[in-house]
Amino acid sequence: GQQVMQIPQYQHVQEGEDFTTYCNSSTTLSNIQWYKQRPGGHPVFLIQLVKSGEVKKQKRLTFQFGEAKKNSSLHITATQTTDVGTYFCAGSNSGSARQLTFGSGTQLTVLP
Amino acid sequence: ETGVTQTPRHLVMGMTNKKSLKCEQHLGHNAMYWYKQSAKKPLELMFVYSLEERVENNSVPSRFSPECPNSSHLFLHLHTLQPEDSALYLCASSQDIYSGANVLTFGAGSRLTVL
Repeated sequence: GQQVMQIPQYQHVQEGEDFTTYCNSSTTLSNIQWYKQRPGGHPVFLIQLVKSGEVKKQKRLTFQFGEAKKNSSLHITATQTTDVGTYFCAGSNSGSARQLTFGSGTQLTVLP
Repeated sequence: ETGVTQTPRHLVMGMTNKKSLKCEQHLGHNAMYWYKQSAKKPLELMFVYSLEERVENNSVPSRFSPECPNSSHLFLHLHTLQPEDSALYLCASSQDIYSGANVLTFGAGSRLTVL
């Protein structure tokens, strides 16, 4: 079955440092989504990437979808304490949410 | 308020109890989902409903029984659970199950502890 691997599992950064989490799929994906879960909260949708090589930005967050549509990354520039949480990627090889496979998440801690 | 409401937020039950988790979405979505989130494990899809019809059942033990009376409400009935079933149970909805309409909106979750 489809597997989505995400690294690192944990990341501690000093406030102001950059942060990157990587997502790799065992199969070619139709699309990939990113979610953020704050401590004690629930996953909240951030963005969806569909096209090969696509790059999208949301303020300090940059999302990339690989050329082969098997990997993706989320990069945060100059982290802030509000960035704390777990970031999940989720991919589907059909585009359907019924077959969305989540990565195990990267837990980000930002030290003030 | 996320548009997806789950109750109760916290539940403690013994292994012989019967309880239910409730989910309601106010977004006009056609698809609803139950996910299980355990510590140090990826989100696990349990059930998917599209227009009240179950379309996915990922080898979930029969002690979990879903019910979807209409496209806005979803229940998860629990009975004779095991301690390893303790987890955060997340309900989600999406516009549809098909490509292009598959962004998930999650509820706040029901934290279940089985003693």
